[in-house]
Amino acid sequence: EVQLVESGGRMVQPGGSLRLSCVVSGFRFRNYWMSWVRQAPGKGLEWVANIGGEGGERYYVDSMEGRFTVSRDNAKNSLYLEMNSLRPEDTAVYYCARSADKGSVDYWGQGTLVTVSS
Amino acid sequence: DVVMTQSPLSLSVTLGQPASISCRSSHNLLYSDGSTYLNWFHQRPGQSPRRLIYRASIRDYGVPDRFSGSGSGTDFTLKINRMEAEDVGVYYCMQGIHWPWTFGQGTRVEIK
Repeated sequence: EVQLVESGGRMVQPGGSLRLSCVVSGFRFRNYWMSWVRQAPGKGLEWVANIGGEGGERYYVDSMEGRFTVSRDNAKNSLYLEMNSLRPEDTAVYYCARSADKGSVDYWGQGTLVTVSS
Repeated sequence: DVVMTQSPLSLSVTLGQPASISCRSSHNLLYSDGSTYLNWFHQRPGQSPRRLIYRASIRDYGVPDRFSGSGSGTDFTLKINRMEAEDVGVYYCMQGIHWPWTFGQGTRVEIK
């Protein structure tokens, strides 16, 4: 059974940093691109970043590039999102998701809530 | 960025009746490999999104056949043949051909 479990979300002050983790199971992790997608409270879905199977290819949404870093450790079946210089508008549930087809994601985690507030 | 525009933004449907959601893209979603990278997701309240349709018309495993996706180029439609109670929630279209991948605003579907 494919499972993705995010963790690391919490309340942090503006300007602060946070690292989110996503541990996966049920599939050969290194064979798949992975994504981070976020959803602000009561709002729609917004892409954050994609990373290739070996971690060499990374894509970010412009507004997050330079502040967010996506990485992975295939030996630990883990995906990460390092977030710096956090802003109140970064408050959201952050989901990790697996890309099994070109241009799509199929499995999602349950999400982890990041709240940026003083 | 590619703008995905859904309509309507909310829909009230009688159980057993059909429903239809439109999604229009600002850019052509047909790739050079002949595939169209348009997806549909359903998100129930308090849950993660679930993919229903990928490549515009391919239903995911386990998705009831009352759901169908159609369209090409820039205009797409998700249809529910007969509305069931479990179909309530928000539906999103999403394009996966132009980076950054983008979602529509979402269409909230409720029972009338």
